[in-house]
Amino acid sequence: KAGVTQTPRYLIKTRGQQVTLSCSPISGHRSVSWYQQTPGQGLQFLFEYFSETQRNKGNFPGRFSGRQFSNSRSEMNVSTLELGDSALYLCASSFLSDNYGYTFGSGTRLTVV
Amino acid sequence: EDQVTQSPEALRLQEGESSSLNCSYTVSGLRGLFWYRQDPGKGPEFLFTLYSAGEEKEKERLKATLTKKESFLHITAPKPEDSATYLCAVQTSERAGSYQLTFGKGTKLSVIP
Repeated sequence: KAGVTQTPRYLIKTRGQQVTLSCSPISGHRSVSWYQQTPGQGLQFLFEYFSETQRNKGNFPGRFSGRQFSNSRSEMNVSTLELGDSALYLCASSFLSDNYGYTFGSGTRLTVV
Repeated sequence: EDQVTQSPEALRLQEGESSSLNCSYTVSGLRGLFWYRQDPGKGPEFLFTLYSAGEEKEKERLKATLTKKESFLHITAPKPEDSATYLCAVQTSERAGSYQLTFGKGTKLSVIP
């Protein structure tokens, strides 16, 4: 059974650019959540999508956005990149939007220079 | 605001030396408490979910317990392969129906042969 797949694994971008990260959940999973992980702040919730609808959003600026497609695949976009956006971005999927052991992907390591 | 505090930040154990990791939380309504393990360069791996005070769950050398204010992850006779960062997270009832976890910053465990 394939796990949660995140692409790309690594990205280097320049300040001011924008970036799109992709997440393919486990087959049959309809809920996808995104988290940002940094050494200083740990894991912080970005947003959650369920059946193509954003159900919840964390305390991040509007530069961070996302969407979910009909096949449950999700993308997140960060516009006007800042140095502080350098982080590991993690995606987690679950069958329902509930606490049944969400499965995380290996993440995308974004470096902004 | 929901808060999760993990201690210690780092822990070095000799192989076979049992110990406990602590996760204390302040939330308005706990729906579930999660433990994850994270290896370097990888996403968090689900270990346990606890729902109510007094609940205990075990998996191999790990045992998680929950009280009204904190959770413990007991590690019995650890092996070097147990070395990882252990993350605690809470889901609150206000956000029931929409998945969002508030994470602690983790305990980095090193088990020395």
